[in-house]
Amino acid sequence: AQSVAQPEDQVNVAEGNPLTVKCTYSVSGNPYLFWYVQYPNRGLQFLLKYITGDNLVKGSYGFEAEFNKSQTSFHLKKPSALVSDSALYFCAVRDLDSGYSTLTFGKGTMLLVSP
Amino acid sequence: DSGVTQTPKHLITATGQRVTLRCSPRSGDLSVYWYQQSLDQGLQFLIQYYNGEERAKGNILERFSAQQFPDLHSELNLSSLELGDSALYFCASSKQGDNSPLHFGNGTRLTVT
Repeated sequence: AQSVAQPEDQVNVAEGNPLTVKCTYSVSGNPYLFWYVQYPNRGLQFLLKYITGDNLVKGSYGFEAEFNKSQTSFHLKKPSALVSDSALYFCAVRDLDSGYSTLTFGKGTMLLVSP
Repeated sequence: DSGVTQTPKHLITATGQRVTLRCSPRSGDLSVYWYQQSLDQGLQFLIQYYNGEERAKGNILERFSAQQFPDLHSELNLSSLELGDSALYFCASSKQGDNSPLHFGNGTRLTVT
């Protein structure tokens, strides 16, 4: 079975400060990891993905994520937050070694960036 | 714009009724996925089609069904609707079945009264 945990329902950060949105995962084999963002009344937008290679993955809008196999984590980061980054963020995982499997999403973390 | 089109944007109907949600995938995408998003359940995978064939099934109720047509658009049919079926229903598409990122439509908001 595969699962994703986003331990924080909400993250608050001031504009200009670094932000981190946490994600941990559980898979039997090797993980294929994603981050998506959802703005109000919109669908999810793909931010970045990790399948193999460099543990630091760069994505859209200045976001990056760090894969840590020993801690089974894939935290989303940005060096300097913008008010416009305020949105709902989803981490998702697929087990690459279990044959075909669907994408499992976390429950989401609301990011609020204050001016 | 993701390129995935969902219609209608909003749907209000009564309990016991049946509705059909429609999805047109991005040009060239063969896979279509349906997800249900609600406040208490989060984002739940319902079903996936790949090039017209059912590929995977998730937490889809027996009252719900879907299909993908030869032109690759998909429809999600919800019948005998209950109040608890009120949710946002998203369609997503991808080029291949497994390892491509999903591209989501803006969803259909279903309200059952």
